[in-house]
Amino acid sequence: GAGVSQSPRYKVAKRGQDVALRCDPISGHVSLFWYQQALGQGPEFLTYFQNEAQLDKSGLPSDRFFAERPEGSVSTLKIQRTQQEDSAVYLCASSPRDRGGTDTQYFGPGTRLTVL
Amino acid sequence: GDSVTQMEGPVTLSEEAFLTINCTYTATGYPSLFWYVQYPGEGLQLLLKATKADDKGSNKGFEATYRKETTSFHLEKGSVQVSDSAVYFCALPDSNYQLIWGAGTKLIIKP
Repeated sequence: GAGVSQSPRYKVAKRGQDVALRCDPISGHVSLFWYQQALGQGPEFLTYFQNEAQLDKSGLPSDRFFAERPEGSVSTLKIQRTQQEDSAVYLCASSPRDRGGTDTQYFGPGTRLTVL
Repeated sequence: GDSVTQMEGPVTLSEEAFLTINCTYTATGYPSLFWYVQYPGEGLQLLLKATKADDKGSNKGFEATYRKETTSFHLEKGSVQVSDSAVYFCALPDSNYQLIWGAGTKLIIKP
């Protein structure tokens, strides 16, 4: 079956532009996570959804970051007025149950965002 | 708060050498522990996990034992191959919904 997919794979934005990053989780997976990964570092948690409910958004770095999962499947991470420090790889992961981080997570390939 | 510390890389070994990548953690209680791997150009994938103290996770010749007395989860492999070249991450779930990640250890295997 299909794994987690993300689009676009690469995005170049000019500073100040808005961007939208899409994640298609594995069908039927309850939990969905977004992470930010800077070059040479481990992923940093951004936000967590259980079905359509956003249960934890404590990792979102500013109010320019917004995530949604309106029907409990596809999720979109939106970044408004992008800044150079937003340049990173954005990872999406899903897991089958509502166990949060204790369950195995299945990762997409990531979206590499470069802000010029 | 909870944290994970991994040995810094890169770790460079010759093929068939023995591998150890150290991981220690601080956590409330006894969470599950994970090793994820990121091969060049690919996404993160679970390598192995252990859910309780003294458990040994294993996969693809890699092993790690959950040691609560030393708060460690070191990754080992007896004979590495060039195809094992990747970045390895140790991780644990915190009390909420997050996975807490180590910084990653880049492994380079030379033929």
